[in-house]
Amino acid sequence: ETGVTQTPRHLVMGMTNKKSLKCEQHLGHNAMYWYKQSAKKPLELMFVYNFKEQTENNSVPSRFSPECPNSSHLFLHLHTLQPEDSALYLCASSPFTRADNSPLHFGNGTRLTVT
Amino acid sequence: QKEVEQNSGPLSVPEGAIASLNCTYSDRVSQSFFWYRQYSGKSPELIMSIYSNGDKEDGRFTAQLNKASQYVSLLIRDSQPSDSATYLCALRLGTGNQFYFGTGTSLTVIP
Repeated sequence: ETGVTQTPRHLVMGMTNKKSLKCEQHLGHNAMYWYKQSAKKPLELMFVYNFKEQTENNSVPSRFSPECPNSSHLFLHLHTLQPEDSALYLCASSPFTRADNSPLHFGNGTRLTVT
Repeated sequence: QKEVEQNSGPLSVPEGAIASLNCTYSDRVSQSFFWYRQYSGKSPELIMSIYSNGDKEDGRFTAQLNKASQYVSLLIRDSQPSDSATYLCALRLGTGNQFYFGTGTSLTVIP
């Protein structure tokens, strides 16, 4: 039990499909994140939400659309993806306060393959 | 994205030896530093965090931070085959909620 749960664990989708990734955290944290992990590259920060308000969007293509209905849930809606979007998508959470040095807690990730 | 540099390896050490993993960063505003371990096909898990200059020890792991040189390292004593994984260096940018990662160093401990 990681405290951060991601579903599905694996997803295969065509370029014309629409799908959503789900993340739920049970740690009482107020910040949630989406990261993309591709081979040989650093984890890429995609989106950050703090108290369900988006605070960062690191030039992510519009085919990725995040949604954060509350501090415990985070979604990543996917549509018209490209094969290069195939990667491990990691959700994370943190308590986040300016005086706090707490780390990120990761979910198990969703392995996405775009065909 | 702020730059976090790690030697991608692979780094191989014999069982029982000390493994030394290094990380440099370019942003002087960074205040919090973290080491994560990631097994193949798994998500990153926190090993150590360090915020002040000097050494911090936790069991077989020692993190070292030198903010003047913008350098953070992780030493693993008495390395075990179960330590074989990719080790990710991460930093928190200032007091914000952004965390940035290096590419990771692949470590293999040879029995």
